[in-house]
Amino acid sequence: QVTLKESGPVLVKPAQTLTLTCSVSGFSLNTTGMRLSWIRQPPGKALEWLARIDWDDEKFYRPSLRTRLSISKGTSKNQVVLTMTNMDPVDTGTYYCARMEYNRGYSWFDPWGQGTLVTVSS
Amino acid sequence: DIQMTQSPSSLSASVGDRVTITCRASQSISSSLNWYQQKPGKAPKLLIYAASSLQSGVPSRFSGSGSRTEFTLTISSLQPEDFAVYYCQQSYYTSFTFGPGTKVEIK
Repeated sequence: QVTLKESGPVLVKPAQTLTLTCSVSGFSLNTTGMRLSWIRQPPGKALEWLARIDWDDEKFYRPSLRTRLSISKGTSKNQVVLTMTNMDPVDTGTYYCARMEYNRGYSWFDPWGQGTLVTVSS
Repeated sequence: DIQMTQSPSSLSASVGDRVTITCRASQSISSSLNWYQQKPGKAPKLLIYAASSLQSGVPSRFSGSGSRTEFTLTISSLQPEDFAVYYCQQSYYTSFTFGPGTKVEIK
């Protein structure tokens, strides 16, 4: 069974750096074709894709947040870490990690982690 | 930047109704369009991928169609558990843009 679980701080102060970890089970991050993304959702708003890392360590970022984001595989072989610098209250929201499935030229997010709510406030 | 729009933004319907949600892309995305269902406090759940392929385990009352810039999600007979927010998402461009969502409420 494939599962993903996000972890990290509940509260961060403005200007601080957020570090989130996605722990996965049921698949390997190093398996050819594996792709994992981070997606966030401000309260009451729509979903917003943030970053992606592939099995070969190729990385992709949301252009508008590229200078603030970093995605990497964690020291544990089944973890992916997202860091976001210079946090602002508008970054408040639920942060999800999701596996990206890919087949016949199409891709989609499935499954998703349960999400972790991050509040940015002094 | 590719933009995704959905209509309506919300709708009220009764159990048993046929419901159709439309998603439009600002540029052609071929059939690279996915649909998700999200219930309050829960993570999104994949319903349809590649515009019209039903995800395993999803009831057959859900169906998707369309290509290029216009897509639809249809629920053939609305059930009580279908009241939720529905999002479309393009996967043609690496920005993986989501639509703003359509809230399906009980009439």
